[in-house]
Amino acid sequence: EPEVTQTPSHQVTQMGQEVILRCVPISNHLYFYWYRQILGQKVEFLVSFYNNEISEKSEIFDDQFSVERPDGSNFTLKIRSTKLEDSAMYFCASSEALLAEHYEQYFGPGTRLTVT
Amino acid sequence: GDSVTQMEGPVTLSEEACLTINCTYTATGYPSLFWYVQYPGEGLQLLLKATKADDKGSNKGFEATYRKETTSFHLEKGSVQVSDSAVYFCALDTGGFKTIFGAGTRLFVKA
Repeated sequence: EPEVTQTPSHQVTQMGQEVILRCVPISNHLYFYWYRQILGQKVEFLVSFYNNEISEKSEIFDDQFSVERPDGSNFTLKIRSTKLEDSAMYFCASSEALLAEHYEQYFGPGTRLTVT
Repeated sequence: GDSVTQMEGPVTLSEEACLTINCTYTATGYPSLFWYVQYPGEGLQLLLKATKADDKGSNKGFEATYRKETTSFHLEKGSVQVSDSAVYFCALDTGGFKTIFGAGTRLFVKA
């Protein structure tokens, strides 16, 4: 069964450093998403991406964040200058369509980001 | 704005007990509703969904009915197993570009 993959599974970085989280969505999917989950808290939407541009973003997704689809398979989330409060599990998701009956987001296993 | 409210946990049950996790939502328009499950140390898995009023989603013995009149989507299972221990998230989507999650309810099932 096709699945969304994410690398690395765990990233440790120092405050102020840049990090890039990588995702490989399911190959025929067109819509891509990033979510985060601070330990023990709810899953929060960050950004959605379609047709090589951001479709929607939350207030969390400020200028420190960016997303990119650098080639036909990868989807990346970059945090330019990490803060302690960026420590969280980051989930990538993809979906094939937006039509309600066929709509389902498939989530990757997550990357745990620890900022020290 | 759109939001999801679900009952706080943790919920602790004995094996074979009945489960209900309450979920209500606020949304403009006509959202699709979802339940996701997160097993310890893993990512999110879609458990079931309903895309319009009165639809019933079901999977692995779990059920939830989309109730527009009460804006609810309660998760139920008649007989839980130890393997059902996980965190359950109710969620909605109104336009396809994002999913809004509830806070999650942790379920512990004792043998």
